[in-house]
Amino acid sequence: AQKITQTQPGMFVQEKEAVTLDCTYDTSDQSYGLFWYKQPSSGEMIFLIYQGSYDEQNATEGRYSLNFQKARKSANLVISASQLGDSATYFCATRRAGANSKLTFGKGITLSVRP
Amino acid sequence: DTAVSQTPKYLVTQMGNDKSIKCEQNLGHDTMYWYKQDSKKFLKIMFSYNNKELIINETVPNRFSPKSPDKAHLNLHINSLELGDSAVYFCASSQAYGVSYEQYFGPGTRLTVT
Repeated sequence: AQKITQTQPGMFVQEKEAVTLDCTYDTSDQSYGLFWYKQPSSGEMIFLIYQGSYDEQNATEGRYSLNFQKARKSANLVISASQLGDSATYFCATRRAGANSKLTFGKGITLSVRP
Repeated sequence: DTAVSQTPKYLVTQMGNDKSIKCEQNLGHDTMYWYKQDSKKFLKIMFSYNNKELIINETVPNRFSPKSPDKAHLNLHINSLELGDSAVYFCASSQAYGVSYEQYFGPGTRLTVT
């Protein structure tokens, strides 16, 4: 079974600075995907970024980048130039390839951006 | 032009009642999901349908019954509601059933059982 670990307590970052949110995963699969989702206080789940296990380059989407270290089984999310609207809970998730695979989420990290 | 919509957004009901949550997606996706988020924000899949066929059925009490009348709709019916069913229920969809396809979530339905 796959497992996601997000152990950071509530995180704080100053507006316009960069922040890294940690995610480690446990899987014995060779082919899998890693996802990050954002949940603001309004409650919706917003997809941010995806990284495939065979992707050699780190994924980037605007101010979001994924620092993928396969040997260490980590998939940290880096948010550059933090904005007040980045204050939210961030979830890391993984899914293995194959039939009947499911998206497994971590517990989430709450990020607060200070003005 | 909402991509994944759910109704109702809030649902307050008494123990023992039966209720339904409806979900619709207008993205043309083949796969739809139901998730439950508990009070600690832990998100766990309940069901998944691909082209109206049930493909994931997690360890969910059989009081919960999903129904997919067509690819664009996935409803969740809950019988004999219990206090522990109080949670936020999210519907989601993805283009297809593959590892790289991101899932798009609805706004959630906050269910409170009293």
